[in-house]
Amino acid sequence: DTGVSQDPRHKITKRGQNVTFRCDPISEHNRLYWYRQTLGQGPEFLTYFQNEAQLEKSRLLSDRFSAERPKGSFSTLEIQRTEQGDSAMYLCASSRGSVGKNTEAFFGQGTRLTVV
Amino acid sequence: GDSVTQMEGPVTLSEEAFLTINCTYTATGYPSLFWYVQYPGEGLQLLLKATKADDKGSNKGFEATYRKETTSFHLEKGSVQVSDSAVYFCARYQIQGAQKLVFGQGTRLTINP
Repeated sequence: DTGVSQDPRHKITKRGQNVTFRCDPISEHNRLYWYRQTLGQGPEFLTYFQNEAQLEKSRLLSDRFSAERPKGSFSTLEIQRTEQGDSAMYLCASSRGSVGKNTEAFFGQGTRLTVV
Repeated sequence: GDSVTQMEGPVTLSEEAFLTINCTYTATGYPSLFWYVQYPGEGLQLLLKATKADDKGSNKGFEATYRKETTSFHLEKGSVQVSDSAVYFCARYQIQGAQKLVFGQGTRLTINP
């Protein structure tokens, strides 16, 4: 079990550029979550997948954001036409089914995005 | 909507002091409750959890009890160490409806030797 890995760890981009982040969940975890965390705040839910199906999207996920999980394995989160307000830590987590008594969500170390 | 509220930080204590970090939640139904910890430079890690009323979660000397009557899940530790310095997040997860973890805003804890 190598844990949830995210790439890149840091990204600096100019306003208006597109960026894409990748998340590799723990193998055999069918659920994958994306969160955004700004300084001094807790993680805010963006979206989640069960296998390859995107089951829920937050209102935070504007039409500039898109997430995919082809084949139910790794996932990508793309932000088009980045804005300074997109600067944040983007976290990925995975779990084997619903989180609860016997299941926990494991988080990656995140991708820190800075839009200049 | 459903939310989690934590006591505001930062919190600074001396080593061996008693720690309480308050957490309350709004909920429909009976969510599972969690405390996550984020050490400097690391990702979120599950510290402890409780999945039904009156359950007590415990780990590394930390404890929290699921109190349905007060909708609370306060984190406690009897004697903190410098290594406990981190940011602590309270969270809830509900199977019905929106299946996701909802986090509080986090409490930064600093323990001085």
